[in-house]
Amino acid sequence: GAVVSQHPSWVICKSGTSVKIECRSLDFQATTMFWYRQFPKQSLMLMATSNEGSKATYEQGVEKDKFLINHASLTLSTLTVTSAHPEDSSFYICSASTPGGQETQYFGPGTRLLVL
Amino acid sequence: QQQVKQSPQSLIVQKGGIPIINCAYENTAFDYFPWYQQFPGKGPALLIAIRPDVSEKKEGRFTISFNKSAKQFSLHIMDSQPGDSATYFCAAKTLGGNEKLTFGTGTRLTIIP
Repeated sequence: GAVVSQHPSWVICKSGTSVKIECRSLDFQATTMFWYRQFPKQSLMLMATSNEGSKATYEQGVEKDKFLINHASLTLSTLTVTSAHPEDSSFYICSASTPGGQETQYFGPGTRLLVL
Repeated sequence: QQQVKQSPQSLIVQKGGIPIINCAYENTAFDYFPWYQQFPGKGPALLIAIRPDVSEKKEGRFTISFNKSAKQFSLHIMDSQPGDSATYFCAAKTLGGNEKLTFGTGTRLTIIP
C-alpha cells in the first residue's frame, strides 16, 4: 500500500515559537493532502485540505494565519504552527490521496506536539 | 447532514468473539465507506472499505456489512485477538481524491484473553 511519512514524530517547544511538520508521500504523488488534529480519546478533526500548487482550504474555525500550510510539490506538504501556545498541543496527522481520482486516503504516523 | 454516527463508544469482547461496530450516515451523496484502525500514538490505518453497490465485503477476518436503504454499515471482526485491541473509526465520503472524509467518533475495542 501507499506510504505516508511525517517528520518529526514528536516535538516539544516553548510557547511563542513556531513548529514545522512535514508530510511526505513516499511512493506516490499526492495532488491532495489533508491535515488533521486529534485530541486524546477523540476522533480526527480535519483542519485543512492541501492542494499542490494552490492555497489550502481551511475548515471553519481553523485559523489560517496560525496554521500555515504549504504544498509545494506532489510529495510534500508542510504544516507550520506559528506562535504556538499550550492549547495547540495535540496529535497532528496528515493523509494523502492516491492520484487518478481514487478514493483511498493513506495516513501518516502522526506528530505529537507539546507546547510548554 | 455531514455526520457519521458511530456506536458503541467502547467495547470489550473475549478472545475469539465477534465484535460488531455500527455506523449510520445521513448524507446520501456518500458513496465510499472505509474503516480505519488506530493504535495509541499512531496514525489510522485503512482496514477495509466498501462502496454502496455491494451489501458485504470481506477481507481476512474483517467484514463490512452495508445497508443502503437504512444508511447504515457495520464492521465485524471474526475470531478476534488481543492484538485487535485498538480504536476503530468508520468514515464516509463522496468519491474523488479531493473529497474529505467524515469520521465517526470512534470505538475503543478491547479484546480480553
